[in-house]
Amino acid sequence: NAGVTQTPKFQVLKTGQSMTLQCAQDMNHEYMSWYRQDPGMGLRLIHYSVGAGITDQGEVPNGYNVSRSTTEDFPLRLLSAAPSQTSVYFCASSYSGPGRPSGNTIYFGEGSWLTVV
Amino acid sequence: DQQVKQNSPSLSVQEGRISILNCDYTNSMFDYFLWYKKYPAEGPTFLISISSIKDKNEDGRFTVFLNKSAKHLSLHIVPSQPGDSAVYFCAASEGSNYKLTFGKGTLLTVNP
Repeated sequence: NAGVTQTPKFQVLKTGQSMTLQCAQDMNHEYMSWYRQDPGMGLRLIHYSVGAGITDQGEVPNGYNVSRSTTEDFPLRLLSAAPSQTSVYFCASSYSGPGRPSGNTIYFGEGSWLTVV
Repeated sequence: DQQVKQNSPSLSVQEGRISILNCDYTNSMFDYFLWYKKYPAEGPTFLISISSIKDKNEDGRFTVFLNKSAKHLSLHIVPSQPGDSAVYFCAASEGSNYKLTFGKGTLLTVNP
């Protein structure tokens, strides 16, 4: 995938632990977002950012925190992990929003597999 | 309430034949639609998109058709190849809303 890097790729957490999923892009994209994918479900938007210093909630934001101090980085924080947060997490970026007339595409990272026990 | 629906969890076709993947939506404010392909253990990859001002968009073997009155879009792959075997997600967005809404995906298997 073009220029979106997620770390770690795999992580096992105990209930109540906190951790941060890292996401970085080198394409100077303004728009970044985090999705989760669960079995039998499509990708669901957790949080997104339209530029440095600007974040907003998506469809399933509870239990997650984000910040955007630089254009390149968009970390996702789990404050107190719960088994319901076991999922595959995808970070994505694009030059602007998905529906912009430029018809730009969203580039996804390879995913982070998180298990909360 | 699911706003983007892919009612077929799976589809199996023979190599060389046409694959047709369907997607329905309920939100009439959606005005931009995308298809993504996803292989196991990888992130989704953009395939093709269509704006609501069009009813067809073509890119090589891939064509997306949009029927706004029926709130229905479809992805046609002709001819299908074994490398096309993947999960295909339909997604939609609304105006300047940055939120992309995905369907649950359809697993396409192309048999040699």
